[in-house]
Amino acid sequence: DIQMTQSPSSVSASVGDRVTITCRASQGIRSWLAWYQQKPGKAPKLLIYAASSLQSGVPSRFSGSGSGTDFTLTISSLQPEDFATYYCQQANSFPRTFGQGTKVEIK
Amino acid sequence: EVQLVESGGGLVQSGGSLRLSCAASGFTFGNYGMNWVRRAPGKGLEWVSGITTAGLNRDYADSVQGRFTISRDNSNNTLYLQMNSLRAEDTAIYYCAKANDASGKNFFDYWGQGTLVTVSS
Repeated sequence: DIQMTQSPSSVSASVGDRVTITCRASQGIRSWLAWYQQKPGKAPKLLIYAASSLQSGVPSRFSGSGSGTDFTLTISSLQPEDFATYYCQQANSFPRTFGQGTKVEIK
Repeated sequence: EVQLVESGGGLVQSGGSLRLSCAASGFTFGNYGMNWVRRAPGKGLEWVSGITTAGLNRDYADSVQGRFTISRDNSNNTLYLQMNSLRAEDTAIYYCAKANDASGKNFFDYWGQGTLVTVSS
């Protein structure tokens, strides 16, 4: 199975800050990576797919990059509604696997 | 508007069974792969199972292989998860999730609100 490792596990940031979350795959997954946002009591929401493609309706302050084993999610200017937990997920092979999550908290 | 509505969750004793359903609307159900993903209390997301458009290919997480069975009824736009031999560690919110295309490598673009499964030991 492909292991997905996110860092950091949590980050404290202020509104307007630039936030970067990294995700590393235990083996190469080309660009078969997605990022999801989950808020308490809500379903996950797809933000980025194929490593860098912005899902329809997602604000442009979210961006993704990387290929192979190393990926990043960047929020260019953190907004109040962005405080949530973020997960990466690989779609290169079965079983699909998620990172352990990164909680973005208010500083 | 795409809608996915899960049902069938509840409280069950260890060793028991449950069948989850996911009613889909707002898209051509038979054209997309479907998946089940769960989140246990205090834990992160865990992919459980996926099924291709016609149901010919089904995949499972190691943790549920041999105990859970995914299926679909394209005539009724419904996804199922039959869960047998349930364990305490299966306690979680179960989400159904639509694949964003019909290919073998896809992402989950729409999710239901989830149904809670609690397994008592």
